Amino acid sequence: SAVISQKPSRDICQRGTSLTIQCQVDSQVTMMFWYRQQPGQSLTLIATANQGSEATYESGFVIDKFPISRPNLTFSTLTVSNMSPEDSSIYLCSVGAGTNSPLHFGNGTRLTVT
Amino acid sequence: GIQVEQSPPDLILQEGANSTLRCNFSDSVNNLQWFHQNPWGQLINLFYIPSGTKQNGRLSATTVATERYSLLYISSSQTTDSGVYFCAVENKLVFGAGTILRVKS
Repeated sequence: SAVISQKPSRDICQRGTSLTIQCQVDSQVTMMFWYRQQPGQSLTLIATANQGSEATYESGFVIDKFPISRPNLTFSTLTVSNMSPEDSSIYLCSVGAGTNSPLHFGNGTRLTVT
Repeated sequence: GIQVEQSPPDLILQEGANSTLRCNFSDSVNNLQWFHQNPWGQLINLFYIPSGTKQNGRLSATTVATERYSLLYISSSQTTDSGVYFCAVENKLVFGAGTILRVKS
């Protein structure tokens, strides 16, 4: 499976600031997603990162808060904007070769907002 | 949207014991995957199994799509099996709440 590098692995940020998380894959992938895992909870899909076009956001998530870029088939960024303590979570990118194929996850970014 | 329920929510095993984890889903699916999240937070894909049975070492999984459930079997459990096991369905992965497994030595 693809090797997925996610950076940073963790960060502590002040409220009101923004953090950009990077996801780099060692091979071209069709599917790329961003998830959030709040403390003690399961994973929730934020958005599908679409190569060369605007991301597709799930209900409850908006572009102004979570802007996403995907300039090519191996790289994507997620920005968490104007952070509040409620944004403290693990953010994970996942990739897949195509529809109905296994998805694999990066190691996640553990974000704490103070 | 589709609902995914996992049971049991918590499980404590003695090393060497076997266990079965269950995943029920509310609608037909074309995609079902099992994941293990280790205590360090890494999420590992165990099985892609929309139907049928697969085995990988001490782990095996069965999905009965017509009855909308999947089972994950862990045999001869080891302490390294501890963590959270998630079932997820559909291409954009709707996750269940997970089963927290603790294996004691």
